[in-house]
Amino acid sequence: DQQVKQNSPSLSVQEGRISILNCDYTNSMFDYFLWYKKYPAEGPTFLISISSIKDKNEDGRFTVFLNKSAKHLSLHIVPSQPGDSAVYFCAASVYGGSQGNLIFGKGTKLSVKP
Amino acid sequence: DAGVIQSPRHEVTEMGQEVTLRCKPISGHNSLFWYRQTMMRGLELLIYFNNNVPIDDSGMPEDRFSAKMPNASFSTLKIQPSEPRDSAVYFCASSLAYIETQYFGPGTRLLVL
Repeated sequence: DQQVKQNSPSLSVQEGRISILNCDYTNSMFDYFLWYKKYPAEGPTFLISISSIKDKNEDGRFTVFLNKSAKHLSLHIVPSQPGDSAVYFCAASVYGGSQGNLIFGKGTKLSVKP
Repeated sequence: DAGVIQSPRHEVTEMGQEVTLRCKPISGHNSLFWYRQTMMRGLELLIYFNNNVPIDDSGMPEDRFSAKMPNASFSTLKIQPSEPRDSAVYFCASSLAYIETQYFGPGTRLLVL
């Protein structure tokens, strides 16, 4: 049973437009959420995170929104660039809990067309 | 600075053979994680170590899988005997502490024929 779900396997966006990647979770104990980006033949790299005490965190072109009541988070990329084309993983954890492991979604492949 | 180093990058072996994957974490990092990525299950944690001690191995699929961390700069993941369903990309990641950001290696792509 997946605790972190990314229901869209792929997303195609035009360069300059907004990319919105979505993630849902089922475990109400999760209080820390991260997005990782992965290029082919490379490992995932950390992109941005958000704690459950916030509902928004921004870093340049990347913004993560958290809706705790809906158990939903999203990653917005504005404006999208061709170099953003990659697989994006959503991950969740219980921050500072007895287990440090991240639970990952299956990823969404973003393609930004020039 | 060097990131997480994994070897080999690619491994092709026959069913029944022993496979050993290697990982060198980032210097100074105290936590090390082994993940497996498959199409069906996505990216899943197999085991993690804190200060060289295995903390949670509940993700290790079977007794055929074992992991060791003999010192702070080296870890191995061993599969013996290997089976075709073990074919996947195996990632190692490290972090300063288990609650901190994890940095991933490039992965080992394993194919068991």
